[in-house]
Amino acid sequence: DAKTTQPTSMDCAEGRAANLPCNHSTISGNEYVYWYRQIHSQGPQYIIHGLKNNETNEMASLIITEDRKSSTLILPHATLRDTAVYYCIVRVVAGGSYIPTFGRGTSLIVHP
Amino acid sequence: DGGITQSPKYLFRKEGQNVTLSCEQNLNHDAMYWYRQDPGQGLRLIYYSQIVNDFQKGDIAEGYSVSREKKESFPLTVTSAQKNPTAFYLCASSDRTGDGHYNEQFFGPGTRLTVL
Repeated sequence: DAKTTQPTSMDCAEGRAANLPCNHSTISGNEYVYWYRQIHSQGPQYIIHGLKNNETNEMASLIITEDRKSSTLILPHATLRDTAVYYCIVRVVAGGSYIPTFGRGTSLIVHP
Repeated sequence: DGGITQSPKYLFRKEGQNVTLSCEQNLNHDAMYWYRQDPGQGLRLIYYSQIVNDFQKGDIAEGYSVSREKKESFPLTVTSAQKNPTAFYLCASSDRTGDGHYNEQFFGPGTRLTVL
């Protein structure tokens, strides 16, 4: 699986958009980009995933560059409850011996 | 409610004792995983299982053992051979599509193990 690079920490004002970047320059054509978040002392929670096209759900939007070497998770109106560590991972499409790898992620702090 | 449960939430053990962490899911997922998380760190894979009666070592399997006798259960034993067992342990599961693709993982609430 391709490695990802994320900033260690970011902050955002409540009510504003939070844009979390992820670099995955070695991503392969059969690898999806997944995002999870982990609120302190809880298990990670799935947010969104995508392959090539931009995706949106009730939690967030995912913007993937045309060359697929980077992506951005957007929380359109951040709240204090969005304070968490956000993990960007890439993974192959087909099954087999897929092993999800979580790095240190980005610690997002949303302030009043 | 469907979900994945871990028990207990907090666990204390004396050094040299084996301890077993429970993980149960009623999501009918094929795959289950165990991760370890240390303070300020990401998740490291200990073991995973894609089918009943089969499991594979992850990156840090030494000092740990698992079993997968039932689809819904994947207990993790932390043995006395694990040199630094104090950590936050997370269990996860995921289902499989018809073309063999594994979907997103669902995580349990975690067990915080402290070895005294």
